[in-house]
Amino acid sequence: EIVLTQSPGTLSLSPGERATLSCRASQSVSSSYLAWYQQKPGQAPRLLIYGASSRVTGIPDRFSGSGSGTDFTLTISRLEPEDFAVYYCQQYGSSPPITFGQGTRLEIK
Amino acid sequence: EVQLVESGGGLVQPGRSLRLSCAASGFTFDEYAMHWVRQAPGKGLEWVSGISWNSGNIGYADSVKGRFTISRDNAKNSLYLQMNGLRAEDMALYYCAKGGLAVAGLYDDAFDIWGQGTMVTVSS
Repeated sequence: EIVLTQSPGTLSLSPGERATLSCRASQSVSSSYLAWYQQKPGQAPRLLIYGASSRVTGIPDRFSGSGSGTDFTLTISRLEPEDFAVYYCQQYGSSPPITFGQGTRLEIK
Repeated sequence: EVQLVESGGGLVQPGRSLRLSCAASGFTFDEYAMHWVRQAPGKGLEWVSGISWNSGNIGYADSVKGRFTISRDNAKNSLYLQMNGLRAEDMALYYCAKGGLAVAGLYDDAFDIWGQGTMVTVSS
């Protein structure tokens, strides 16, 4: 099983700042099958990034994903008030199980 | 509009059974893998099970293997999760989620559409 470790656990930033979220895998993620989700309170998760760096249609371009192998990053270039939420990484190329990171809470400073 | 609507959750005693359903609309259901993901109160996401578009490939998390059974009825655009031998640690909000690629392998893509979830409470 591939274990995903996200850091930091909580990130406190102000609107307009840049956010960098990390996801490290316990072994290489095949074909960069790594996704990022955003979850707001009381809502289902929303897919932002798949294939490590492909942005879902309709997701603002301030969200970007990068990385390969065992180290992946989600960057939000300029935080908007609606971006404060919990973010999860997920690997889906290793079968089974599909695994999620424990999440990073992005909070307003 | 693409939509997934879960149902069937509720309060159940430990050791009992429950069957969850997920009704899909707005897309060609029989072309996509489908998954169940759960989230315990205040906790993170846990993949529970997945089934390929033609039911040819099925996977389970170790935590539910042998107790839960996933199935689908493509004629009814529906996904199911039969949960037997429920335990306190199974208590969670259960989401139904759609794989992103049509006619693809079970593990070939992320989950692009999610339902709002159905709550399962396990308590005596």
